[in-house]
Amino acid sequence: RKEVEQDPGPFNVPEGATVAFNCTYSNSASQSFFWYRQDCRKEPKLLMSVYSSGNEDGRFTAQLNRASQYISLLIRDSKLSDSATYLCVVTGGGNKLTFGTGTQLKVEL
Amino acid sequence: GAGVSQSPSNKVTEKGKDVELRCDPISGHTALYWYRQSLGQGLEFLIYFQGNSAPDKSGLPSDRFSAERTGGSVSTLTIQRTQQEDSAVYLCASSWEPQHFGDGTRLSIL
Repeated sequence: RKEVEQDPGPFNVPEGATVAFNCTYSNSASQSFFWYRQDCRKEPKLLMSVYSSGNEDGRFTAQLNRASQYISLLIRDSKLSDSATYLCVVTGGGNKLTFGTGTQLKVEL
Repeated sequence: GAGVSQSPSNKVTEKGKDVELRCDPISGHTALYWYRQSLGQGLEFLIYFQGNSAPDKSGLPSDRFSAERTGGSVSTLTIQRTQQEDSAVYLCASSWEPQHFGDGTRLSIL
């Protein structure tokens, strides 16, 4: 089983739609969780950290479920500019980050 | 500049040659990571340096790959006897929350 698993997609959604991604992780001792965004042929960039209580940043909401070992990212009112690959990132021992393979989102007119 | 700097930005070489990729992290960042990303694939962890600790080499795909970090700063990733499957973008990142990525080195093996 992979340490971090994501549905690769692509998720094709119309502008204005709400879309949600899940990511599961295998190491129950994982401490920190993040969502990164990667545009085509660009390096990944941090989108948001994921806190135990859940957190929101504008149209983006991230949640953590430790019991089921998954994190989620919800995007409301999606924009064309949200089209990208969303990477789930989990820390293991020694603060080493493990990236999922990413979920591709395509927002269409 | 203040960001992570990688060189070269592009490298084309013949199969069987050795290549060296360089990463200059953000000053003061003790953690440094190397990843690679093949076309259409996710990030693949290669190696992780943290301060003076022994590096985590668990992601290196074969003994043709090695990396060092001199003086806790600049890092070099070396690939010996390159193969076509080594073609990828090699990304370096420093720190961890958030990770600051370099622009990557696009390596093409002919």
